[in-house]
Amino acid sequence: SQQGEEDPQALSIQEGENATMNCSYKTSINNLQWYRQNSGRGLVHLILIRSNEREKHSGRLRVTLDTSKKSSSLLITASRAADTASYFCATDAWTGSRLTFGEGTQLTVNP
Amino acid sequence: GEEVAQTPKHLVRGEGQKAKLYCAPIKGHSYVFWYQQVLKNEFKFLISFQNENVFDETGMPKERFSAKCLPNSPCSLEIQATKLEDSAVYFCASSQRREDGEQYFGPGTRLTVT
Repeated sequence: SQQGEEDPQALSIQEGENATMNCSYKTSINNLQWYRQNSGRGLVHLILIRSNEREKHSGRLRVTLDTSKKSSSLLITASRAADTASYFCATDAWTGSRLTFGEGTQLTVNP
Repeated sequence: GEEVAQTPKHLVRGEGQKAKLYCAPIKGHSYVFWYQQVLKNEFKFLISFQNENVFDETGMPKERFSAKCLPNSPCSLEIQATKLEDSAVYFCASSQRREDGEQYFGPGTRLTVT
C-alpha cells in the first residue's frame, strides 16, 4: 500500500518556471528518495535525503524534509520540456528495507 | 554492470501460463528488490534479497509467486498460473547497504496476461 500522498496529482507549467511537488508520509522514516518516471519507462533516482537532514540540492533540484510534519518537497528550478514526467517520493524505515511509494505527481512542462 | 538489467522487456502470457522474469543487479550491490506497478501510479513491494538470501518476503503472494537470487546467476521472479490481475510492470532494484541506501531501478518488464 502507498505510504502517503503527493500533491498536486498533476502540474502543468511553462518552460523556465519552477515546479514544486509535495509528498507526505505516515510513519517514521530513515531516508526519503525522489524518483522520476518518464512515460512507459523505469524509475530514475534523483536524490536521497536522510531523516536528519533538512535540505539537499542537486543541480536544479532542491529537496526539503520536515520530519515533524512528515512531509517533503521537491523543487525543480528553471524547468525544461525534458522534465515532463511523473515524480514519486519513496521512504524506507531503515537502510536496506523496502521502499514505500507516494502516489506521484505528473509534471508537464510546456515549451 | 553499472545499471540494473531486466529481461525480457515485454512478456505476454495466456491466463494460467507461467511467467519468468530476470534481473541482474548492479555489480557489487548486495540487496535486490522486486516491485510491481499495477496502475500507473501504484507501486507494490514484493520481495527483497540480501545476496542469495530472502530478506523480506512479506509482499509476496505466496501461492503463485516465487523468487530466487542464486550466486553467479540473474535473480528471477516466477509467477505460476498467471491471472489477469498479474498484468503489471515488474521492476527490480538494487542497493549497496554500505552507502546511504539509494535503490537503483531497472527498466522493468511489462507482463500482459490475456
